[in-house]
Amino acid sequence: DGGITQSPKYLFRKEGQNVTLSCEQNLNHDAMYWYRQDPGQGLRLIYYSQIVNDFQKGDIAEGYSVSREKKESFPLTVTSAQKNPTAFYLCASSRQGAPRDEQFFGPGTRLTVL
Amino acid sequence: AQSVTQLDSQVPVFEEAPVELRCNYSSSVSVYLFWYVQYPNQGLQLLLKYLSGSTLVKGINGFEAEFNKSQTSFHLRKPSVHISDTAEYFCAVRSPGSGTYKYIFGTGTRLKVLA
Repeated sequence: DGGITQSPKYLFRKEGQNVTLSCEQNLNHDAMYWYRQDPGQGLRLIYYSQIVNDFQKGDIAEGYSVSREKKESFPLTVTSAQKNPTAFYLCASSRQGAPRDEQFFGPGTRLTVL
Repeated sequence: AQSVTQLDSQVPVFEEAPVELRCNYSSSVSVYLFWYVQYPNQGLQLLLKYLSGSTLVKGINGFEAEFNKSQTSFHLRKPSVHISDTAEYFCAVRSPGSGTYKYIFGTGTRLKVLA
């Protein structure tokens, strides 16, 4: 079955550490997205990529970095510069050039800073 | 800039009662509208979407939504809810002419179905 996988499901980080969240899709989608979810704030866009080797900052990119070396993969690194990284992180994908299409979401990674 | 407003952060309702979750968007141009559901500690799943044509859209799990262009609204309804409908619901909008292909999400409405 096609879909999006995110790993790990739960992640604990000490202050000052960088961590990388994995996102893989086998839907053959060109566009991929990372969102951060906090209670009462909905989904906020961190980064998005419309094609391999290209990505754009979203609304809250500070303290985060991404890469898009393969169509299937869009890992997110939460750096030590992110002051409040504890949140639920969601990866999504969609077809490029198809604005009528919905996004497909992974199951999420819950990051907790200790 | 495009925005989506979900005025109700929480909606409690008794089982088998009807429910309406409100969504308003700001746009003077054509938009595509989506409703997603999120169960605890899971990703979002598409419930339904409006692209064009009939203003009444039917989705999964007995949900439907009505697009109202003059009111810039896309409210979600279900005539009789079940305990299993307890979840968070998100409205989202996308502008086909925006060029960025970004989806704009509301802040969500937490539906709590009471026995």
